[in-house]
Amino acid sequence: SAVISQKPSRDICQRGTSLTIQCQVDSQVTMMFWYRQQPGQSLTLIATANQGSEATYESGFVIDKFPISRPNLTFSTLTVSNMSPEDSSIYLCSVRRGGNYEQYFGPGTRLTVT
Amino acid sequence: QQQVKQSPQSLIVQKGGISIINCAYENTAFDYFPWYQQFPGKGPALLIAIRPDVSEKKEGRFTISFNKSAKQFSLHIMDSQPGDSATYFCAASHIKAAGNKLTFGGGTRVLVKP
Repeated sequence: SAVISQKPSRDICQRGTSLTIQCQVDSQVTMMFWYRQQPGQSLTLIATANQGSEATYESGFVIDKFPISRPNLTFSTLTVSNMSPEDSSIYLCSVRRGGNYEQYFGPGTRLTVT
Repeated sequence: QQQVKQSPQSLIVQKGGISIINCAYENTAFDYFPWYQQFPGKGPALLIAIRPDVSEKKEGRFTISFNKSAKQFSLHIMDSQPGDSATYFCAASHIKAAGNKLTFGGGTRVLVKP
């Protein structure tokens, strides 16, 4: 498995501001992903964070709104930019090790935009 | 063709009973089928997974049944306990596809009554 931590665990933000969420893994992983989970809903993949290159975004998500960095094999950040109340959600970091298809999730960051 | 349909949306079972959650998929290229358990305020935790080379996999009280011809798989929770009360998500992926992304079902909220 993998031990994944996320910071912050929760935040309340004003409309129009930005929040950066950090994801730290206890050991190197090949793949890192960012998901969004709206209350009572399933998980939606935002993007795959690629080490040393631009993230790969899913349909409906764009880099200007959700810039992602992945400077090394254990750390990634997701920024939610110019927030609106519709961005209120749980944001989850997820990882997968090379040669293994098991995927693990962090504890999530609960974001409320007022 | 990427959908995974999960049913029921919610389930109430008495302590000691069997909880059964079903998932159906369309993409015949899917070859990895994990189940996740999520408690309120926590990230999803990998519970059990199956590959299509076997029809059943059991880990403790949790069993996955897989029917390749019907493109269906299910989770059985035997001797359900109040501590099993959580939301369960099925997922599917094509291991060798670029990015190997998980496609999630809609989730099933399970309540085990004492």
